[in-house]
Amino acid sequence: QQQVKQSPQSLIVQKGGISIINCAYENTAFDYFPWYQQFPGKGPALLIAIRPDVSEKKEGRFTISFNKSAKQFSLHIMDSQPGDSATYFCAASIDRGSTLGRLYFGRGTQLTVWP
Amino acid sequence: NAGVTQTPKFRILKIGQSMTLQCTQDMNHNYMYWYRQDPGMGLKLIYYSVGAGITDKGEVPNGYNVSRSTTEDFPLRLELAAPSQTSVYFCASSLGLAGRLSSYNEQFFGPGTRLTVL
Repeated sequence: QQQVKQSPQSLIVQKGGISIINCAYENTAFDYFPWYQQFPGKGPALLIAIRPDVSEKKEGRFTISFNKSAKQFSLHIMDSQPGDSATYFCAASIDRGSTLGRLYFGRGTQLTVWP
Repeated sequence: NAGVTQTPKFRILKIGQSMTLQCTQDMNHNYMYWYRQDPGMGLKLIYYSVGAGITDKGEVPNGYNVSRSTTEDFPLRLELAAPSQTSVYFCASSLGLAGRLSSYNEQFFGPGTRLTVL
C-alpha cells in the first residue's frame, strides 16, 4: 500500500515555465514532508521540506504548497531550467517515537526541461 | 567528510550466490537505512538502524539481512540471490534527532550499488 501517492509520473516543461508535482497522503499522523531530487547515477538529495503548521515554504525557485485539510502537498519549480531535469520524490514521515526518521516515498516524477 | 560511501558500484550475481553490500558514513549519524530503487516504484525501505546493535525491518526485508556493530558501518547481506533482487541499492544516514530543524531529519544518500542477478 503506497503511503504517499505522487503524480505525474513524468513531466516535460519548456525552459522558463513552471513545473508542478503533486503528492497526496492518508495518514494524518505524518508531520514532516520533504522533497528529494535525484540526478541520473546519483543518490537522492534533500531539496526542500515543510511541516504541516505552515501552508507554504519557498527556497529560491522552489516552493512547497501544503494543504492540510486536503492531505495534499505540491512542489512548484518557477522559471524551470534544463539543470532542473531530474527525478523528484516527495516523502512523508512521523517525526517522533519509534518511527522517527523513517520516510515513506512517493514513486517519483521524472522532470525534463527543454531548452 | 566523505559522507556516505557504498561499495561496490556495480555487481552481477548468479542465482543462489551471496554477497554483502558495504555502507559507511563518517558523519557520526545515529540512524542508517537501506533502500532499493526499482524503475517507477520509488524507494522502498529494506532495513534501518537507530544505533549500533539495533536494527529493524522496513517495507521489503525478505531475502536480506543487516547488522550494525559500529556507528559508521551498516552492511546489507543477500544470502541467496534471486532475479527479483535486481535493483539499485541505496544506503542513507541521518542524525535521528527529534526537532523542527530539517537537519535533524535529512537523510544523506550514498551513490548506490547497481546489482543484477542472472
